[in-house]
Amino acid sequence: GQQLNQSPQSMFIQEGEDVSMNCTSSSIFNTWLWYKQDPGEGPVLLIALYKAGELTSNGRLTAQFGITRKDSFLNISASIPSDVGIYFCAGQLSRGSQGNLIFGKGTKLSVKP
Amino acid sequence: EAGVAQSPRYKIIEKRQSVAFWCNPISGHATLYWYQQILGQGPKLLIQFQNNGVVDDSQLPKDRFSAERLKGVDSTLKIQPAKLEDSAVYLCASRLVRGAGELFFGEGSRLTVL
Repeated sequence: GQQLNQSPQSMFIQEGEDVSMNCTSSSIFNTWLWYKQDPGEGPVLLIALYKAGELTSNGRLTAQFGITRKDSFLNISASIPSDVGIYFCAGQLSRGSQGNLIFGKGTKLSVKP
Repeated sequence: EAGVAQSPRYKIIEKRQSVAFWCNPISGHATLYWYQQILGQGPKLLIQFQNNGVVDDSQLPKDRFSAERLKGVDSTLKIQPAKLEDSAVYLCASRLVRGAGELFFGEGSRLTVL
């Protein structure tokens, strides 16, 4: 089946540092969604992207829909301890998706105070 | 606005027993999804409903898993008989329009099979 390559798998950073993670695929997507999941909770939507080249911010978070439509990245600026969690990208294929989203394997973020 | 509601939050059963999970999507959302999330992995789609019809159940292990959304609103996912490898979090999600827009998740139902 289709796969999304999400990297890095995990990150250990100091509070105040910026974070960058990305998802790539060999297929073309028409939607990218970025989620954060805390332990024992369901994924919470952070940012939604619908157009190639689109750059969207949500507070300290910024995400972009790649121009090739095969990738997306999420940046977190000035990280704080509550940013700890697992971040997932999800993409919807332009064709043949039946409205389904494919999820990456997640990036686990740890922040040292 | 109320989010996606799921119950139970936690369930522990022995292998070969049965279990059922319930989901009530966000009001007005036509599309409902069930995902399975195994520890350390991203959610994996099990089944997608559009109103009360199944759109995609290609990844649902139909020998033991079943799901229904009879009135096009809430949905039930059943596992019978359960296997050890079914231990996972079962996430329900809903979307206003099929194939477009944001997907919202419930808090999940954590299943442990002993």
